[in-house]
Amino acid sequence: EVQLVESGGGLVPPGGSLRLSCAASGFTFISYWMSWVRRAPGKGLEWVANINQDGSEKYYVDSVKGRFTISRDNAKNSLYLQMNSLRAEDTAVYYCARATTAFDYWGQGTLVTVSS
Amino acid sequence: QSVLTQPPSVSAAPGQKVTISCSGSSSDIGNNYVSWYQQLPGTAPKLLIFDNNERPSGIPDRFSGSKSGTSATLGITGLQTGDEADYYCGTWDSSLSGVVFGGGTKLTVL
Repeated sequence: EVQLVESGGGLVPPGGSLRLSCAASGFTFISYWMSWVRRAPGKGLEWVANINQDGSEKYYVDSVKGRFTISRDNAKNSLYLQMNSLRAEDTAVYYCARATTAFDYWGQGTLVTVSS
Repeated sequence: QSVLTQPPSVSAAPGQKVTISCSGSSSDIGNNYVSWYQQLPGTAPKLLIFDNNERPSGIPDRFSGSKSGTSATLGITGLQTGDEADYYCGTWDSSLSGVVFGGGTKLTVL
């Protein structure tokens, strides 16, 4: 059974940093692109970042470029999102998702709240 | 403002059929696969349709997808109260080198 379990969310002041983790199991992690997708309160889904199988290709939505970094550790079957210079508008539930031609499996999400 | 355009809300009675549209452009829907997601209140999104019209294992055939040109449509027949959720279309945008979603459509089963 495919499982994606996010952790690392919490309350952080504006300008602060946070690192999200996603533990993957039930599939061959190294074979798949992986992604982060978020949903802000009262808003819709927003794709945040993608990373390819060996971590050599990364793509980001414009609003997080230069502030967020996606990475992975294939030995640990884990995906990460380092978030720096956080802003109030980054407040959202962050989901880890497996990416093929669609996001076919999703984690339960972890809440990030940026507030003083 | 989302790259893909969906109606904010749709509604229909139990047992009826509803369609949700998703409009884009040649750089997104026009040249890439479309997928559809269901997000029930308080839960993670769930894949309903991939590659324009394919259903993952376990998704009932009440759900269908189609694509024509730069638009896509999700159809749901035999509506149930449990179908009340937010529905999103998504695709790759070649000009942005990123994934784009529609703004979401809230389905109400009256």
